[in-house]
Amino acid sequence: EPEVTQTPSHQVTQMGQEVILRCVPISNHLYFYWYRQILGQKVEFLVSFYNNEISEKSEIFDDQFSVERPDGSNFTLKIRSTKLEDSAMYFCASSEALQGLETQYFGPGTRLLVL
Amino acid sequence: DQQVKQNSPSLSVQEGRISILNCDYTNSMFDYFLWYKKYPAEGPTFLISISSIKDKNEDGRFTVFLNKSAKHLSLHIVPSQPGDSAVYFCAARWGGFKTIFGAGTRLFVKA
Repeated sequence: EPEVTQTPSHQVTQMGQEVILRCVPISNHLYFYWYRQILGQKVEFLVSFYNNEISEKSEIFDDQFSVERPDGSNFTLKIRSTKLEDSAMYFCASSEALQGLETQYFGPGTRLLVL
Repeated sequence: DQQVKQNSPSLSVQEGRISILNCDYTNSMFDYFLWYKKYPAEGPTFLISISSIKDKNEDGRFTVFLNKSAKHLSLHIVPSQPGDSAVYFCAARWGGFKTIFGAGTRLFVKA
């Protein structure tokens, strides 16, 4: 069964450094998403992406965040200058279509630790 | 942001019995509700969903009930199995893109 993959599984970085989290969505999917889950808290929507542009973003997704689909398979989340509070599990998801109850398939996540 | 609330952080059920996971929401604009299951070190996995125009959806051992007047939905698992032990997230969506998750309920199914 096709699945969403994410790399790396774990990332440790120093505060102020840039990180890029990578995702390979399911190949025929057109909609892509990033979520994060701070330890002990709920899963939070960050951003959705379709047709090479951001469709919607949350208040969490400020100027230090950016997303890109650099080629036909990868979808990346960049955090420009990491802060301690960016430490979280970051999940990528993709869906085939947008309408209705179209299922979003989640990747296994990247655990980011900012020191 | 408390638009989707799961007030029970955990639930313990005997194998073979019914598990009932509850969720309340505040935003009447939500048009779809979903349940996700999450095992440690994995991403959430879609389980079952329901449109706001329905009050029940069933898929095998899983049934979701929606009470719009009470802004409440529940997930019933019957019979519960040890492999169902996981964290269950209630989620809601409107406008298609943004999914709001509850805090999750950890289900323990005892053999």
